[in-house]
Order: sequence, then structure tokens, then C-alpha cells
Amino acid sequence: EIVLTQSPGTLSLSPGERVTLSCRASQSVSSSYLAWYQQKPGQPPRLLIYGASSRATGIPDRFSGSGSGTDFTLTISRLEPEDFAVYYCQQYGSSPLTFGGGTKVEIK
Amino acid sequence: QVQLVQSGAEVKKPGASVKVSCKASGYTFTSYTMHWVRQAPGQRLEWMGWVDAGSGDTKYSQKFQGRVTITRDTSASTAYMELSSLRSEDTAVYYCARAHVANSGSSGSWGQGTLVTVSS
Repeated sequence: EIVLTQSPGTLSLSPGERVTLSCRASQSVSSSYLAWYQQKPGQPPRLLIYGASSRATGIPDRFSGSGSGTDFTLTISRLEPEDFAVYYCQQYGSSPLTFGGGTKVEIK
Repeated sequence: QVQLVQSGAEVKKPGASVKVSCKASGYTFTSYTMHWVRQAPGQRLEWMGWVDAGSGDTKYSQKFQGRVTITRDTSASTAYMELSSLRSEDTAVYYCARAHVANSGSSGSWGQGTLVTVSS
């Protein structure tokens, strides 16, 4: 099973700041089958990025994903008020599909 | 637009089974894989398995093998997840999530979630 470790656990930031979230896999994620999701309290996750770097439909271009192998990054170029949430990475290159523990982005 | 509507909250006793439904609309049901993911309070998301809505083929996480059964009814455009031998650790919100594309492992559309509480 591929274990995904996200860091940091919590980030306290202000609107307008740039954010970089990390997701590290215990072994290589095949074909960059890595996704990022945003989740707000009481809501299901929302797909942001798939294939490590492709934005899902309707996702603003301030969100970008990069990386390959075992190291992946989600960047939010300029935080908007609606971006304060928990972010999860997911690998879907091998079974079982697994998720990271999440990074909470909170308002400073 | 794609919509996934799940059945309502359930309260079950330890040892019982629960069956959660997920009715899909807004797309061709048989063209996409449906995943089931759960989230225990304060915990990370946990993938349970998927069903190929066209063929009915399934794949389960080893963790739930033997306890989970995922099925679908194409005539009703509905997927189901049944979990047996429930224990307190199974208390969680259960989500159905449609594959982003065809049989992808990433999920672009999610149900609203079904809270299953296991308590004596």
C-alpha cells in the first residue's frame, strides 16, 4: 500500500498569500496518477487536480499541481477567502487507492 | 449536470449490516466507475472499493474484503454499498464518488455523504 504523507499539517495564512502544499509517497506513484482535493466542513471533497498537474473543470488557474515519482506539490498562487479549507492528495495508480492525511489551510 | 444523491443517515448496532444507495443522474450511468470512500470523524478519507457500472465488475480494498459488497442497478442508475459485521470503528460518513473520466481512480463528482453511526 502506498502511504501518502502531507505536510505541513496546518498552515495559518492571510488572503493574498502564496501557498505550497506537499504530498510525499512511500513509493513511486505510477503514471503520475495523483489527485488533489479540497474539502470544506460538512461538504464532500472537490476535485482540483488530476494526473498530478491537470486542473479539473471549473477550477481557477490560481491552483496548480506539479511533481512526479514520490514528490508532489499543490500551489495556490494567491489565496482567496474561499480557499481556506482542508486539502487532500490521493494516489490512484495502484490498489488500494490511498489518501494523504490532509493539510488544513486556516486564516491567520 | 452530474448529481449523486445518497440515502439518509443510519444508526446500526454492532454486528449489523448497512446498505447505502447512491442514485446518479445527469450522465450515462454505465459509462463510469463508481467509487465508495468513507471518512471517520477527524480522519483521512479511506477508499473502500469500486464498481464498473457497465460490467458490474468490482474491486475492493483488502481492508474491507469479505465485509463490503458494492453493486449497481443499471435500470435505476443506482449504486449500492453494503457493509456487514459493523463495529464502532465503522462510524463514518460514506460517500459515493463517480470516476472523473470513465474508469479513472480520481473522482470528479461526489454524493452528499451518508452518516452511518454504529452504537449499542
